[in-house]
Amino acid sequence: GEKVEQHESTLSVREGDSAVINCTYTDTASSYFPWYKQEAGKSLHFVIDIRSNVDRKQSQRLTVLLDKKAKRFSLHITATQPEDSAIYFCAAISNYQLIWGSGTKLIIKP
Amino acid sequence: NAGVIQTPRHKVTGKGQEATLWCEPISGHSAVFWYRQTIVQGLEFLTYFRNQAPIDDSGMPKERFSAQMPNQSHSTLKIQSTQPQDSAVYLCASSLVGGSAETLYFGSGTRLTVL
Repeated sequence: GEKVEQHESTLSVREGDSAVINCTYTDTASSYFPWYKQEAGKSLHFVIDIRSNVDRKQSQRLTVLLDKKAKRFSLHITATQPEDSAIYFCAAISNYQLIWGSGTKLIIKP
Repeated sequence: NAGVIQTPRHKVTGKGQEATLWCEPISGHSAVFWYRQTIVQGLEFLTYFRNQAPIDDSGMPKERFSAQMPNQSHSTLKIQSTQPQDSAVYLCASSLVGGSAETLYFGSGTRLTVL
């Protein structure tokens, strides 16, 4: 079955720098790739998604890139702020079900 | 809009006891999902309802776990004879129509601790 891997379990960046979180997937038929954020002690909430008919999507400081050939997608956060500190989960659709990555803890250092 | 409401926030049970977890989806949402989150296993899909009908329970442990959605305003996850390995945060999410590429709205979760 589909596997989604997040390669960085922890990522630490200085406030104001950019952060990049990478995910890979195995199912070539996957067509939908959302990202969710989980702040400390809170539940998950949606941040951005991308569908397979495009290779880039931007929303304010967030950009998602999709490379279908490499079966890789990434979340780019520019001008990081303390409130970006959280665990970020990527996911991919396979057989109508979301398959989740293991999460990347993003730490924003002052 | 209060969002997805899960009760209780925390539940502690003794080994072998029953635990019932409640979820109230966002009003107007047709789909309800249950997930389990642990440090070791991450996010695990358990089961999914659309218009109150069970659609996919492929993630549910076959024994001891059951889920119901008796009406459009709440769903329950019941764990019989709880075991320490059932300790986890149980997350409920809802979505508008239950399509595979829809945004999920998660509740705050129920942290179950089995002693």
